Amino acid sequence: KNEVEQSPQNLTAQEGEFITINCSYSVGISALHWLQQHPGGGIVSLFMLSSGKKKHGRLIATINIQEKHSSLHITASHPRDSAVYICAVENYGGSQGNLIFGKGTKLSVKP
Amino acid sequence: EAQVTQNPRYLITVTGKKLTVTCSQNMNHEYMSWYRQDPGLGLRQIYYSMNVEVTDKGDVPEGYKVSRKEKRNFPLILESPSPNQTSLYFCASSLSNIKPYGYTFGSGTRLTVV
Repeated sequence: KNEVEQSPQNLTAQEGEFITINCSYSVGISALHWLQQHPGGGIVSLFMLSSGKKKHGRLIATINIQEKHSSLHITASHPRDSAVYICAVENYGGSQGNLIFGKGTKLSVKP
Repeated sequence: EAQVTQNPRYLITVTGKKLTVTCSQNMNHEYMSWYRQDPGLGLRQIYYSMNVEVTDKGDVPEGYKVSRKEKRNFPLILESPSPNQTSLYFCASSLSNIKPYGYTFGSGTRLTVV
């Protein structure tokens, strides 16, 4: 079983729709990261969470430490949001701080 | 501009020909790491470095070497590349791995070994 599971694997939405991507993990963590990878490959860090909720523009990330679950929401989706979204968990402080990655959610937003 | 710079972006090479992928950061970050990304497997850590002259193996270190002689540079060396090392490689850095800081990723290097 993978330590970080994302769902769905693929997601197609119409422009303007509200989108939710889920991430569940089975290990103890110190932080959880949401990353965005556009076609062409570059990876951009969107959020780092250790508790609660963060918002940046139309993106909202939440985490429930007790349930070992995080969600990434996109409000008023736009074709430029089309990308692969990757959840990664981190356990630092004594270990090497290795990131464990989910396999990603490929989002396609149609105009 | 704060960034992680990887070179080259694309590389096609032949089996057995030594190559180096460079990674440089301008943020005075202590922690640097190399990952490879393969379809169906996601991103996996190859090697990491917690500071100058301190490196250690990640999950898939076989066939790779690294060095960290200066804080800003963390090159990935393939002494004798093989076709199973065809992959998309990313370098990343973070201020420290003792507290939760964000990561900055390079633009990636697409390596093909024939």
